[in-house]
Amino acid sequence: DAGVIQSPRHEVTEMGQEVTLRCKPISGHNSLFWYRQTMMRGLELLIYFNNNVPIDDSGMPEDRFSAKMPNASFSTLKIQPSEPRDSAVYFCASSPEGLATQSEQFFGPGTRLTVL
Amino acid sequence: AQSVTQPDIHITVSEGASLELRCNYSYGATPYLFWYVQSPGQGLQLLLKYFSGDTLVQGIKGFEAEFKRSQSSFNLRKPSVHWSDAAEYFCAVGARPGGSYIPTFGRGTSLIVHP
Repeated sequence: DAGVIQSPRHEVTEMGQEVTLRCKPISGHNSLFWYRQTMMRGLELLIYFNNNVPIDDSGMPEDRFSAKMPNASFSTLKIQPSEPRDSAVYFCASSPEGLATQSEQFFGPGTRLTVL
Repeated sequence: AQSVTQPDIHITVSEGASLELRCNYSYGATPYLFWYVQSPGQGLQLLLKYFSGDTLVQGIKGFEAEFKRSQSSFNLRKPSVHWSDAAEYFCAVGARPGGSYIPTFGRGTSLIVHP
């Protein structure tokens, strides 16, 4: 299994530009999570999906952030417009069996975003 | 709401020495507890987890952790550290408010291994 795939691995953009991060979860996993990691705030859960449906987006920092999961094999996290304080490493993780169990999460390698 | 505290930001040990990384949690019921490791430039990988039963759990790479309810702790241990263990370690607690599982991660402990 290829594991969770994220693209791009690195993204450098200018303030005000739109940024789209992509994630392909492990086949058969029912839950998908987006996290943001920074030195200041550590690892923060932004949003999670169960069976392609957003369950809780309370961690999304503001309206500039949006996430979609059009099918079981693809999700996007979009930032529009981007700001320098959005610079972070964004992780996608997937989990089998859905949210009703204590399944472990499988993390992708992350996307390092730099907003100038 | 649950929370996790990892009191040590950095830990430095010599190769071959024993290791203990501290984790304290706050949660009203029996928590689900995890330890993850993050190597530089990589995502997090699960080392071990505790849900119920034996309070001493074994994980991958020779790690173990002990759940102590009276101390609200879930410390990670390894008897002999290898240079390849140098990484960031995260403790996490899972809860089920309203029937859904929402993980909370600690800030992490950076392990430095001296030869």
